[in-house]
Amino acid sequence: QVQLEQSGAEVKKPGASVKISCKASGYTFTSYDISWVRQATGQGLEWMGWMHPDNDNAGYAQDFQGRITMTRNTSINTAYLELSGLTPEDTAVYYCARTPPFCGGDCYFSPWGQGTRVTVSS
Amino acid sequence: DVQITQAPSSLSASVGDRVTITCRASQNINNYLNWYQQKPGKAPRLLMFGATSLESGVPSRFSGSGSGTDFTLIISSLQPEDFATYYCQQSFSSMITFGQGTRLDI
Repeated sequence: QVQLEQSGAEVKKPGASVKISCKASGYTFTSYDISWVRQATGQGLEWMGWMHPDNDNAGYAQDFQGRITMTRNTSINTAYLELSGLTPEDTAVYYCARTPPFCGGDCYFSPWGQGTRVTVSS
Repeated sequence: DVQITQAPSSLSASVGDRVTITCRASQNINNYLNWYQQKPGKAPRLLMFGATSLESGVPSRFSGSGSGTDFTLIISSLQPEDFATYYCQQSFSSMITFGQGTRLDI
């Protein structure tokens, strides 16, 4: 079945960077986009951006422009999210999710990875 | 950005009740509205896409309606496993946004 398996929890100091992985299985990795969504404790969902694994195109939410990078390694069906300049406000669970390719409006997320908790603290 | 206002923010109900959750968009988003269910400590799960299409494997007691700016998720007869938080999400704009969530409690 279609699954997304994310890397483990991270603890970072303010100013550091974090790189989270999302390994896809059960489908053709390059045929669907991967999106990233985060959720601070007790808060709602915040979309961060998407990436198309076939051509490495990516689009990022304005709130993260300049400090976010989404990449992939197609040989191991894995997508990556890197976020730099971390502050305590970046403490959250980060999710990857499969997204229809070039969805242009009809963009929904299914399935989701299990989430990766990132804690930013001095 | 398209703003989404979801209501209510919380709701108490009982098994067997019919429940309605609404989302209102700040502009016309056609039918580009999706619904998710999230249980504590778990990732969200897609319930409905395109406002009215039921995701595979989701029970038929869930239904969605609406187009333009006003959308509704209906659970026709609450089951114990339906107590969770529900989110809507718009994808009309390239800047995707979620509603604030509705916590459904017993």
